[in-house]
Amino acid sequence: DTAVSQTPKYLVTQMGNDKSIKCEQNLGHDTMYWYKQDSKKFLKIMFSYNNKELIINETVPNRFSPKSPDKAHLNLHINSLELGDSAVYFCASSQEMGLAGASSYEQYFGPGTRLTVT
Amino acid sequence: KNQVEQSPQSLIILEGKNCTLQCNYTVSPFSNLRWYKQDTGRGPVSLTIMTFSENTKSNGRYTATLDADTKQSSLHITASQLSDSASYICVVSGAAGNKLTFGGGTRVLVKP
Repeated sequence: DTAVSQTPKYLVTQMGNDKSIKCEQNLGHDTMYWYKQDSKKFLKIMFSYNNKELIINETVPNRFSPKSPDKAHLNLHINSLELGDSAVYFCASSQEMGLAGASSYEQYFGPGTRLTVT
Repeated sequence: KNQVEQSPQSLIILEGKNCTLQCNYTVSPFSNLRWYKQDTGRGPVSLTIMTFSENTKSNGRYTATLDADTKQSSLHITASQLSDSASYICVVSGAAGNKLTFGGGTRVLVKP
């Protein structure tokens, strides 16, 4: 069984479009995350949710809006896509989040969504 | 500024040989340090998590060390296998309010 799944795996779209990436985890975790991995392979956290509540919101343009309908799902909607949004986006989950965003629990990552904006 | 630096950026080793990857960090205060393995086209997979009080932790042929005083960690791969070819990412978690800080990774290629 897949622990953390993302759809789609690949997404090619034109500038200005709006797109969504979905993420689901079946691990029973309380906390979910979105990360962006750029061409240099650096992973940067974008958002994290704990029990459907936004905990971490890094300096991410307002065009990015996460939505958590329940604690097993964390979707990422992106408006007005730009060339610089091209990257691999990873969803992750962990059992629990500690104080103010710090977590000692192992994070499980999804397979990633490669977004290409043309 | 919290930073995690890894070295080397990449390395090539022969199958069966050992290698050691380095991670230096400036994250403070410190909560824990993790090593992840990321295969091409896949998400990172956790290898080890070490807290302040732990000096070494093993996961099969992977052994991580931590020196919290010098803010250094290493990941040692013993008797490398072709499947060890991947990027290895060092991640440091700060305490109370600090997020995870990721290193740029070391790309390891194991050749037969």
